[in-house]
Amino acid sequence: GNSVTQMEGPVTLSEEAFLTINCTYTATGYPSLFWYVQYPGEGLQLLLKATKADDKGSNKGFEATYRKETTSFHLEKGSVQVSDSAVYFCALIQIIQGAQKLVFGQGTRLTINP
Amino acid sequence: GAVVSQHPSWVICKSGTSVKIECRSLDFQATTMFWYRQFPKQSLMLMATSNEGSKATYEQGVEKDKFLINHASLTLSTLTVTSAHPEDSSFYICSARDPTGINEKLFFGSGTQLSVL
Repeated sequence: GNSVTQMEGPVTLSEEAFLTINCTYTATGYPSLFWYVQYPGEGLQLLLKATKADDKGSNKGFEATYRKETTSFHLEKGSVQVSDSAVYFCALIQIIQGAQKLVFGQGTRLTINP
Repeated sequence: GAVVSQHPSWVICKSGTSVKIECRSLDFQATTMFWYRQFPKQSLMLMATSNEGSKATYEQGVEKDKFLINHASLTLSTLTVTSAHPEDSSFYICSARDPTGINEKLFFGSGTQLSVL
């Protein structure tokens, strides 16, 4: 079945550092790919998405490119801030019996130190 | 502010007791809600899909008699873990689908950490 694998955390960086959180997937066909973020005490929020190969999703300085050849959707940010500290989930959509279902990775906890 | 409220955020209970977790959509009517579970260092796994006014659809391997889901109104779904045991200790998250607007949106609760002693 479809699955998502994320780089294992936790990840700790200093402010203004470059961030990469790796995400690879296994899927039949070409599913839409997502990054969700969960800030402390809040629900998961959609951060960005890409719906087809070579698409780049971007939001709040974060970017991720849908790479079909490497089945990857790595999350990057050029200069992180303390406020980026959160848990990040990579996900894909699969369609089973006509219903859309999200398949998540295990999440990566990111801590940014001032 | 939050559009999906999940309560409680954490709960500790004795083995054999039942625990109810509530998921409310605050600004919209959710015909469909989802319940997920996450064990440490593992993925969020979909447990069941809850449709208002009908029985929930459970994923393979999820015991429907143990994890009772009720979606009696368009703004409230509940998950009851019956006769909880330590192996049920996990992080549970709900989400609700807002069908209005051009693009459907999915909103998540903040999760419930269940610890069964």
